[in-house]
Amino acid sequence: EAGVAQSPRYKIIEKRQSVAFWCNPISGHATLYWYQQILGQGPKLLIQFQNNGVVDDSQLPKDRFSAERLKGVDSTLKIQPAKLEDSAVYLCASSSYDLGPDTQYFGPGTRLTVL
Amino acid sequence: AQTVTQSQPEMSVQEAETVTLSCTYDTSESDYYLFWYKQPPSRQMILVIRQEAYKQQNATENRFSVNFQKAAKSFSLKISDSQLGDAAMYFCAYRSTNTGTASKLTFGTGTRLQVTL
Repeated sequence: EAGVAQSPRYKIIEKRQSVAFWCNPISGHATLYWYQQILGQGPKLLIQFQNNGVVDDSQLPKDRFSAERLKGVDSTLKIQPAKLEDSAVYLCASSSYDLGPDTQYFGPGTRLTVL
Repeated sequence: AQTVTQSQPEMSVQEAETVTLSCTYDTSESDYYLFWYKQPPSRQMILVIRQEAYKQQNATENRFSVNFQKAAKSFSLKISDSQLGDAAMYFCAYRSTNTGTASKLTFGTGTRLQVTL
């Protein structure tokens, strides 16, 4: 069974530029999460989708971050414009109630560096 | 809001020895899930073990076991017969069962485990 796929693995941009990350969850997983992990900290949830609907985006900085999950499968997270403090690893995870609602499977993450 | 605290930024253990990583949490809920995740340098978070709060029996997965003290809100991870491949960041995480379909994980700050020969 293929795991959660993410791309790119690394991205370096200048501040005020735009960037987008892509995530393809495990096949059949209805729930998709985006987490931000700043160096030295644990991951923090940015947004959670159930199919193509948003369940929780309370910690998403909506003035610069946006996310979508069209067709309830893969998802894109965008930052526009980027700030220095956005430098972090962006992790995507997915889960399925069929496997128990409490098990989230993570992708390899995208490391973003904002200069 | 729930919080998770890992007070040991770094730990070291010799190969084949046993090490215990500490985690405490704060919550007003009576039912929830607790997890330990491992994050090697590859960055991929890997589930190590999970515990349902309503279960009194401590979870065990091969060389990994937990000591769950619900009254003390403590959830420590014991790694027996440590191996070089166990070297990684370990994160303790909490998930509520009372949030409908919102099922985010709240993570601690992590403990870096080094395994020496």
